[in-house]
This record gives sequence, C-alpha cells and structure tokens, in this order.
Amino acid sequence: AQKVTQAQTEISVVEKEDVTLDCVYETRDTTYYLFWYKQPPSGELVFLIRRNSFDEQNEISGRYSWNFQKSTSSFNFTITASQVVDSAVYFCALSEEKTSGSRLTFGEGTQLTVNP
Amino acid sequence: NAGVTQTPKFQVLKTGQSMTLQCAQDMNHNSMYWYRQDPGMGLRLIYYSASEGTTDKGEVPNGYNVSRLNKREFSLRLESAAPSQTSVYFCASTWTGTQYFGPGTRLTVL
Repeated sequence: AQKVTQAQTEISVVEKEDVTLDCVYETRDTTYYLFWYKQPPSGELVFLIRRNSFDEQNEISGRYSWNFQKSTSSFNFTITASQVVDSAVYFCALSEEKTSGSRLTFGEGTQLTVNP
Repeated sequence: NAGVTQTPKFQVLKTGQSMTLQCAQDMNHNSMYWYRQDPGMGLRLIYYSASEGTTDKGEVPNGYNVSRLNKREFSLRLESAAPSQTSVYFCASTWTGTQYFGPGTRLTVL
C-alpha cells in the first residue's frame, strides 16, 4: 500500500524567511509520480509540481524549489523568502500508475502561516 | 474553458436525505475522480472513472454511488446521507497524469 507522510502539521514563519515542507513516501512501485498541491484559504486545490520516479533532478520555479531523493524516499518543498500570500495548506501526493487510471494518495497536509 | 466545475458549492442535508453532486470538465480528459476532505486530513479517494463507461472504488466508497454519464460528466450520489458524510467533496480530472481539481462542494449532514 502507498503512504505519504507530512510530519509537520503546522509551520509558522515570519515574512522573508525560508521554509521547507517535508514529505516522505512509501511505495512498492518502481514507476510513480510525486506531486505538491497548494490549498489557500479560499479552498481550491492548486497544482504546483509533478515529478516522476526516474527524474531526481531538483527543480526551481521562482521562489519555489523541490528536492527529490529516492534514497530517503523524500520529496521536500522549499519556499525562499516567504510571503504572506504563501499562507496555505500544502499537500504532498503520490500517484500509482495503473492502466485503469492514476490514483493519488495524499499526505495530511502542512498548514503554513507566513506572518508579516 | 472553465476547467473542472462542481455544483452545488454548498449543501445542507438532513440525515437520510439523498442528493447528487455534479461534476463536469471541458478539457476532454479521460479520467475523473471524486475525493472527500475532512478536517486535518488529506484527500481520500471515493470513486474514480478511468474512462467513459467505467468506474472503480477508491479508498472510502461506502455510502456513495457514481455515474459516468459521458466523457464530460461524473456524478456522485449519496442515497441516504449520514452525519459522517459531512465533508468537502472535490472532483478532479486527469491530463497526462496530473489531476486538476474543481472548486469543491461543502456538504453538511445534520
């Protein structure tokens, strides 16, 4: 069975601080995908990134960066120079690949609060 | 291009009542999904449809039924609502392996 663990339930930082959200996953599949979604206070789920299991290159997108390490089964998310608008719940998710559709397993989420 | 749409946005039911949550996508995606989100928890898969005409159970299917009416529409039905089904329900569709979500339906069962 697949499992995603986000051990940090809540994180509070002051604006401009860097913050890292941790994600650890478990799967028996050799081919899988990892995702991060953002859920702002308005409630919608916003896709941030998808990473496949064969690509361990780190990715940077503006102030966001992701560190994927298969050796430790982790896919951590760092926000550099955080802003108040980054306040949201962030979910890490794992997808198994099936011919009958991809099913996502979500972590419980990390509530990030960025204070001015 | 509206993406994934859900109706209604809010709903209050009494125990035992039935209702159908509607989901539609205009992106010509094959796969569609229904999740529920409870406080302090991530999303859990209720049912999904890999393609038109097929549906499969997810992690928490009890108390729900689904219909994939056509490629665009995937509905979720509660036949006899229970307080334990109070939750926020999200519909999603998949394009090249990435799921895109609707805005959600907040359901309260009294």
